[in-house]
Amino acid sequence: NAGVTQTPKFQVLKTGQSMTLQCAQDMNHNSMYWYRQDPGMGLRLIYYSASEGTTDKGEVPNGYNVSRLNKREFSLRLESAAPSQTSVYFCASSSPLPVGEQFFGPGTRLTVL
Amino acid sequence: GIQVEQSPPDLILQEGANSTLRCNFSDSVNNLQWFHQNPWGQLINLFYIPSGTKQNGRLSATTVATERYSLLYISSSQTTDSGVYFCAGGSNDYKLSFGAGTTVTVRA
Repeated sequence: NAGVTQTPKFQVLKTGQSMTLQCAQDMNHNSMYWYRQDPGMGLRLIYYSASEGTTDKGEVPNGYNVSRLNKREFSLRLESAAPSQTSVYFCASSSPLPVGEQFFGPGTRLTVL
Repeated sequence: GIQVEQSPPDLILQEGANSTLRCNFSDSVNNLQWFHQNPWGQLINLFYIPSGTKQNGRLSATTVATERYSLLYISSSQTTDSGVYFCAGGSNDYKLSFGAGTTVTVRA
């Protein structure tokens, strides 16, 4: 089992460019998440998908869109990147509630110039 | 949302020392996890521990749910224990709130 995988590992964008971060999990989990981590801080939730076909905003959704493509895949899109979106992005999936234990991918380091 | 406070923010240990990290929650949680972020940035699950005590090798964790805190114990620390330790909690939904982390440096 690969667990949670993310692509790309690193990306540099110019202000105004768009890109999509990809995430896939092979643990048959229903729920998936996107977080961002800024220096010296914990993780903040951007969007989550409780199950296939549903998505909801987290703590910091502005400037992002998501797509739950199927049960395995959950993508994060930046339509017009800004320097404030320079961060490390983590995808996660979780076992069903009431447990909801989350497992994380390796992260994508994004720099917006 | 739930506020999570971790202490201390930084910890420097000599190899072989023991330490305790603490996590306080502003509200009741029924999902509580501890993670270790290694120097390469990978987040590794340590414990899922909404209540009680668990042990895994030199690491153990205790959560006192009624008092809204959790403790992570590192015994006989090794240089490979260095990194940032995060706790995160959630309540009856899919969201986890993370603390700011404790940065642990273990010196040989």
